[in-house]
Amino acid sequence: SQQGEEDPQALSIQEGENATMNCSYKTSINNLQWYRQNSGRGLVHLILIRSNEREKHSGRLRVTLDTSKKSSSLLITASRAADTASYFCATDARYHTGRRALTFGSGTRLQVQP
Amino acid sequence: NAGVTQTPKFQVLKTGQSMTLQCAQDMNHEYMSWYRQDPGMGLRLIHYSVGAGITDQGEVPNGYNVSRSTTEDFPLRLLSAAPSQTSVYFCASGEGLAGYSYEQYFGPGTRLTVT
Repeated sequence: SQQGEEDPQALSIQEGENATMNCSYKTSINNLQWYRQNSGRGLVHLILIRSNEREKHSGRLRVTLDTSKKSSSLLITASRAADTASYFCATDARYHTGRRALTFGSGTRLQVQP
Repeated sequence: NAGVTQTPKFQVLKTGQSMTLQCAQDMNHEYMSWYRQDPGMGLRLIHYSVGAGITDQGEVPNGYNVSRSTTEDFPLRLLSAAPSQTSVYFCASGEGLAGYSYEQYFGPGTRLTVT
């Protein structure tokens, strides 16, 4: 099963509105990352937040992390049609080998209507 | 820098055929990984490597082999293709042995169909 799960699975908003996506994970982490994927393309890194951080900003993006609830949220403010994409959270889960590797959730599909 | 490159972009195989998906990066990253992406399933980790000669299994390794003879290349081999391996495959790389702690750079993907 996957370490991270995003909520909602799909989100449709109007241009100019804010979009909030949530991610929950199961085991302890060192960091959590958010990625964006445009249709038919590879993933692009958006932001990384470490386990000792609670909030991080990058441009119109705001990420929060609550390690006690094992959850994170990604807020995109003043959305644009160009923000239409799928958004994934990723965490450094520990595998049966004992090593950590980056595992992804199933993503939130964001549609921004012009 | 070309970043992470993958070849081919598209491939159609018949059941039972074998093939190798190529992945190369020119950023001198130690950490490389392979994922498959199926509709509604997100990305699932197949294999990863923390440096030349060191590979480990991820979540869905069955039916796939990897090797890492150089820092730059991390090929993924399908031993005997099955329709269940129809998917989009992504290669990624990150800095250092703990590459999972850093930004991952993704290739453009290989869309594989097994008939």
